Amino acid sequence: AQSVAQPEDQVNVAEGNPLTVKCTYSVSGNPYLFWYVQYPNRGLQFLLKYITGDNLVKGSYGFEAEFNKSQTSFHLKKPSALVSDSALYFCAVRDPPGANNLFFGTGTRLTVIP
Amino acid sequence: EAGVTQFPSHSVIEKGQTVTLRCDPISGHDNLYWYRRVMGKEIKFLLHFVKESKQDESGMPNNRFLAERTGGTYSTLKVQPAELEDSGVYFCASRSGIGNGYTFGSGTRLTVV
Repeated sequence: AQSVAQPEDQVNVAEGNPLTVKCTYSVSGNPYLFWYVQYPNRGLQFLLKYITGDNLVKGSYGFEAEFNKSQTSFHLKKPSALVSDSALYFCAVRDPPGANNLFFGTGTRLTVIP
Repeated sequence: EAGVTQFPSHSVIEKGQTVTLRCDPISGHDNLYWYRRVMGKEIKFLLHFVKESKQDESGMPNNRFLAERTGGTYSTLKVQPAELEDSGVYFCASRSGIGNGYTFGSGTRLTVV
């Protein structure tokens, strides 16, 4: 069975510092991996995805994520955090890739401190 | 293009009452999904429509939940009667086809008291 784990409920980082939001997954085959962000009173917005190819994926708003097959991880990163990055971040997997629905993690609340 | 619209944005009802949530997908998107996030937990899949047909309803928690998609356009999700554990945020998403991205609505926050 597929699952996604986001081990941190809350991540605090100072503005200008690098940020990492962690995600690990468990799937039966090769996963399609996603990151979504939810800003206050907004819907889930797509940030980036990994399907195949380069393990480092670049997405919206300067975010990137690294697919690590041996560690079954897909951590979200940004070199320099902005206060406006404060939001709720969800990691998700689609397994098998042809499946129609997404399996999400529990979410990580990122707070960037000015 | 207009995004996925959900309403109401918030609903507070008493236990035992009925509530109907509505989702208007992006025009032309055949695939429509309902998800739910109970406080502090993961976002869970509820069901998937392709046009007006239920493709997968394996995530529906019980028979108090009824989803419809009239004419393959907007969808409703009715909870009758509502229980306290039904509280959470209900998200709707649509996409045009396999391989295309999902667009999510802003969700309906349901509180059952």
